[in-house]
Amino acid sequence: SQQGEEDPQALSIQEGENATMNCSYKTSINNLQWYRQNSGRGLVHLILIRSNEREKHSGRLRVTLDTSKKSSSLLITASRAADTASYFCATVPSYNTDKLIFGTGTRLQVFP
Amino acid sequence: DSGVTQTPKHLITATGQRVTLRCSPRSGDLSVYWYQQSLDQGLQFLIHYYNGEERAKGNILERFSAQQFPDLHSELNLSSLELGDSALYFCASSVKTEGPDTQYFGPGTRLTVL
Repeated sequence: SQQGEEDPQALSIQEGENATMNCSYKTSINNLQWYRQNSGRGLVHLILIRSNEREKHSGRLRVTLDTSKKSSSLLITASRAADTASYFCATVPSYNTDKLIFGTGTRLQVFP
Repeated sequence: DSGVTQTPKHLITATGQRVTLRCSPRSGDLSVYWYQQSLDQGLQFLIHYYNGEERAKGNILERFSAQQFPDLHSELNLSSLELGDSALYFCASSVKTEGPDTQYFGPGTRLTVL
């Protein structure tokens, strides 16, 4: 399967703590994106990082990308109960920029 | 609200039947993507259309087909349905003039095959 792997599969933290999710992928990429999904609903785009970028910030989100290790991480700082959701990384492969290949996802639970 | 609409929200049907899922992209978006989300397969890319033309195929079964119409809405047709086709089907749209960009997802259609 082309699908990437995310780690951990599930994460439970208290409000105010930081949450870190990791993503590994298999092919050379054009860019990597992170999405959030609330309980079986549609996905919401969070952030996009291009293959020539190493780090990107958006509000409480920080994404890093290591193309030599084919891995990325998403850090959510000062988490809130509203951050409870599943988080997916998705890669756009270099060989075909018309596709988006999703990882297996991390289920994040933030307790108030 | 992403601006992408999908109908119907829920669909319950029997094995062997055929269904059509509909997607209207955001105003101005030329690209439509279809995805299937199931418990065992996760989120799988099915197919991508750009301005009426097929651009990429993923793990789409031969029993499934899609098209994008001149008004840019898209339909995903699923035929000879099997129990394993039960899943959430999402469409997404993007501007996509050059290179990859952000995709905006619709709320999905939940298909249950009995």
